[in-house]
Amino acid sequence: QQQVKQSPQSLIVQKGGISIINCAYENTAFDYFPWYQQFPGKGPALLIAIRPDVSEKKEGRFTISFNKSAKQFSLHIMDSQPGDSATYFCAAYGNKLVFGAGTILRVKS
Amino acid sequence: KAGVTQTPRYLIKTRGQQVTLSCSPISGHRSVSWYQQTPGQGLQFLFEYFSETQRNKGNFPGRFSGRQFSNSRSEMNVSTLELGDSALYLCASSPGGGVTEAFFGQGTRLTVV
Repeated sequence: QQQVKQSPQSLIVQKGGISIINCAYENTAFDYFPWYQQFPGKGPALLIAIRPDVSEKKEGRFTISFNKSAKQFSLHIMDSQPGDSATYFCAAYGNKLVFGAGTILRVKS
Repeated sequence: KAGVTQTPRYLIKTRGQQVTLSCSPISGHRSVSWYQQTPGQGLQFLFEYFSETQRNKGNFPGRFSGRQFSNSRSEMNVSTLELGDSALYLCASSPGGGVTEAFFGQGTRLTVV
């Protein structure tokens, strides 16, 4: 029940395209859902986050869509750029952060 | 505002030894959490400290321990190191008090040989 399932494991997108990463959870006690971006040799950086009372949140090119009834949430990266190439983690917070397995995104120029 | 600082950045230890890692959170943040990151297991929660008290603990053996000081700085200790303890250890800092935004340091890369 503490798991967060993330897909796909890896993703290749053309520059200017839309990158979509999906996550699903079981524990309805989760009340905060952040996304993190990690570059090699660095710690994860908080990208954007959402609470379950909101269905969508947009910050620049990054959008979280949240479906409470389906217990799913996704990250959309619009106009993907080579500099977005990184590993992305979804997470869910109940009394601790539980992370998905990560998605390696490569944006081809 | 300075970010989360972890020291040292890299560490090589021998099996059976013990190691102490340090984390200085963002100024004003009272909660510090520790995570282990490995290619096989991903990011796994070790423990969280808030106002010098361990508030939550993950599923790791007792060889993994931590503490937090009055200035919110935290240390984690791993005793009797095993090869499988080789990992990136990450510290995350949060304001605490119900605020859940967590900001990570760059981590300490521990290699056990």
